[in-house]
Amino acid sequence: DIQLTQSPSFLSASVGDRVTITCRASQGISSYLAWYQQKPGKAPKLLIYAASTLQSGVPSRFSGSGSGTEFTLTISSLQPEDFATYYCQQLNSYPLTFGQGTKVEIK
Amino acid sequence: EVQLVESGGGLVKPGGSLRLSCAASGFTFSSYSMNWVRQAPGKGLEWVSSISSSSSYIYYADSVKGRFTISRDNAKNSLYLQMNSLRAEDTAVYYCARDFDMATFDYWGQGTLVTVSS
Repeated sequence: DIQLTQSPSFLSASVGDRVTITCRASQGISSYLAWYQQKPGKAPKLLIYAASTLQSGVPSRFSGSGSGTEFTLTISSLQPEDFATYYCQQLNSYPLTFGQGTKVEIK
Repeated sequence: EVQLVESGGGLVKPGGSLRLSCAASGFTFSSYSMNWVRQAPGKGLEWVSSISSSSSYIYYADSVKGRFTISRDNAKNSLYLQMNSLRAEDTAVYYCARDFDMATFDYWGQGTLVTVSS
């Protein structure tokens, strides 16, 4: 199984900050990676797919990059509505797996 | 508007069974693979099972293989998860999710809570 490790697991930041979350895969997964945002009590929301493609309707302050085993999600200027937990997911092979999550909180 | 509505969750004793349903609307259900993803209280996301549009391909997480069965009825625009031999560690919110591109989930339901406890 492919394991995904996100870092950091917890991040404290201020509105306007540039935030970067890293997702490392235990083996190469090309660009078969997605990023999701989840707010408390809500279903996850797709942000990025194919490692760097912005899902329709997602603000352009979100961006994704990487391939192989190392990926990043960047929020260029953190907004109040961005405080949430973020998950990466690999789609390279079954079983599909998610990272453990990165919680972004207000400093 | 795409909508996915789960139902069937509840409290069940260890060893018991439960059948979850997901009613889909707003898109051509028969054209999409579908999935179940769960989230234990306070924990992260865990993929459970996937089924292709015509039910030709089915996959399960090792943690549920042999106990859970995914199925769909394209005529009824519905996805199902039959859960048998339930364990305490199956306690979670179960989401159905649409696969729009190679196991990328673009739409999710609101989730249904399954609690396994004596």
